[in-house]
Amino acid sequence: QQPVQSPQAVILREGEDAVINCSSSKALYSVHWYRQKHGEAPVFLMILLKGGEQKGHDKISASFNEKKQQSSLYLTASQLSYSGTYFCGTDTGTASKLTFGTGTRLQVTL
Amino acid sequence: EAGVVQSPRYKIIEKKQPVAFWCNPISGHNTLYWYRQNLGQGPELLIRYENEEAVDDSQLPKDRFSAERLKGVDSTLKIQPAELGDSAVYLCASSYYGTANSPLHFGNGTRLTVT
Repeated sequence: QQPVQSPQAVILREGEDAVINCSSSKALYSVHWYRQKHGEAPVFLMILLKGGEQKGHDKISASFNEKKQQSSLYLTASQLSYSGTYFCGTDTGTASKLTFGTGTRLQVTL
Repeated sequence: EAGVVQSPRYKIIEKKQPVAFWCNPISGHNTLYWYRQNLGQGPELLIRYENEEAVDDSQLPKDRFSAERLKGVDSTLKIQPAELGDSAVYLCASSYYGTANSPLHFGNGTRLTVT
């Protein structure tokens, strides 16, 4: 079953922060995050494994709450280059199958 | 390292015609995936290969879609005959092993338009 992302879309000014949420109805083993720019391939951002760890690089980080079956992606001090559609991908661990979410369209403006 | 290579980049065909897409994964990646992405939606898995074995093809419409990964390297996805609803971007991805803790590397995709 497809994970649900929220919000569906968000517009930020450069320098503002954003949070993107990903919720699943099933127990999760891992969560992936990808960013896709218009007309391009999805690009890997990070993986979070079961255990509630938080990861990050540069000004993008993520958390994974396995009890709530949710993950959140945090973008701080957003840059124009952050614009794109963000997808979470969830793996329940039973078949190593990654199911992508509904997507969140992020637009960063000057 | 070279990324995942797909061809063609674009394809326009009439309904009922056949079409084929080709993918060359990153060298050393054992797992290969074909995804279909409709406009405004997330990628949907069609088939996953571990080396040359198709380990998950439950979402592949087998009446018209077929895929092969001979020698466990490059792969071809075929549609015959194509229908209007097949218009989408077909993405190939590869990873070292199972998805749980291995990032997927995507190719640029093939945008299929069926008229």
